[in-house]
Amino acid sequence: NAGVTQTPKFQVLKTGQSMTLQCAQDMNHEYMSWYRQDPGMGLRLIHYSVGAGITDQGEVPNGYNVSRSTTEDFPLRLLSAAPSQTSVYFCASSPGPSSYEQYFGPGTRLTVT
Amino acid sequence: KQEVTQIPAALSVPEGENLVLNCSFTDSAIYNLQWFRQDPGKGLTSLLLIQSSQREQTSGRLNASLDKSSGRSTLYIAASQPGDSATYLCAVKGGFQKLVFGTGTRLLVSP
Repeated sequence: NAGVTQTPKFQVLKTGQSMTLQCAQDMNHEYMSWYRQDPGMGLRLIHYSVGAGITDQGEVPNGYNVSRSTTEDFPLRLLSAAPSQTSVYFCASSPGPSSYEQYFGPGTRLTVT
Repeated sequence: KQEVTQIPAALSVPEGENLVLNCSFTDSAIYNLQWFRQDPGKGLTSLLLIQSSQREQTSGRLNASLDKSSGRSTLYIAASQPGDSATYLCAVKGGFQKLVFGTGTRLLVSP
């Protein structure tokens, strides 16, 4: 199993550009999430999904869009990038709700200039 | 709103010492607590998961305890090694998928 994979590893965008961060898992996990990590703030939940076709907002959803058309993939879209979205983005998956362990991808480091 | 605090923010010890990292949380209604390790520029590696009904979990030189009623968890590292140098994060899972993280303890173990 590759686990949770994310592409790209690094990305530089100009303000106003859009892009999609890719996340895939091969563990047949129903639950997937996106977090951002900023210095001094810990990781914060952006969006999550409890299964194909079902998504919901986390703590900091503004400026981001998600969809879940398959169990394996959970892309995160930046609609119009802003410097405040400069961060490291982590995707995570879990086999079930609540009591289950979460597995994290290696992250995407995004810089918006 | 759940808040997670980790103390100390940074810790430097000589190799071989036993050490304790602390994590506290404000809302005791949690499903579980997870300890992660993060190396610079890397992702998160899960170390230990403690369910809300458990008091502790052990893996090798690591032991994590949970006192839900007081909102505290500790991660004990025995006989520390330079390879243990990393940032250690604790995270609590409240409702559904909502994992709330602390800001981490940066550990440096010197040879």
